[in-house]
Amino acid sequence: NAGVTQTPKFQVLKTGQSMTLQCAQDMNHNSMYWYRQDPGMGLRLIYYSASEGTTDKGEVPNGYNVSRLNKREFSLRLESAAPSQTSVYFCASRRDRGLNEQFFGPGTRLTVL
Amino acid sequence: AQSVSQHNHHVILSEAASLELGCNYSYGGTVNLFWYVQYPGQHLQLLLKYFSGDPLVKGIKGFEAEFIKSKFSFNLRKPSVQWSDTAEYFCAVNREYGNKLVFGAGTILRVKS
Repeated sequence: NAGVTQTPKFQVLKTGQSMTLQCAQDMNHNSMYWYRQDPGMGLRLIYYSASEGTTDKGEVPNGYNVSRLNKREFSLRLESAAPSQTSVYFCASRRDRGLNEQFFGPGTRLTVL
Repeated sequence: AQSVSQHNHHVILSEAASLELGCNYSYGGTVNLFWYVQYPGQHLQLLLKYFSGDPLVKGIKGFEAEFIKSKFSFNLRKPSVQWSDTAEYFCAVNREYGNKLVFGAGTILRVKS
């Protein structure tokens, strides 16, 4: 049982390049989330998916798109990377809307030059 | 909008000192409350959670937190810290049965041996 996995662990992009961050969970959770973590700002929600086939914007969605490919996988895409998107990105999942906590992946450290 | 405030961004303690980290939230309805910990280079792990019942919650590694509804607070405590408690601590809140978790900015704890 791997929990929440993310790829890649590290990535360096040039401004304007695109890339997709991958996330998968093997806990049969319904809800999945993408956060970015910046120093002194905690974690901020980018997008989330309450169930397969649905996605919703979080606090900081601009410059990102997501795809809930199936119940296991939730990807985050940067179409045209900007230096302001340099951050650590965490994926998380939760069983459902009930009284459950979120489980986090190991993170992807992204640098945009 | 819902917000979460953590009172101290950096805390330095000596081993065996007592710890209390403050957390206040702004939402007036029923909430679920969490403390997560992030050890250096690792992903977020759940320390403890409060959904209902006894407002004094015990978590892993000797941590506890007290929910005081009248003060909109959920402070984290540990009677005697160890060097291995060096980490960043995040308070997080979501509305009861809600899907979005709102994080505080985090408190970096350094324990001197």
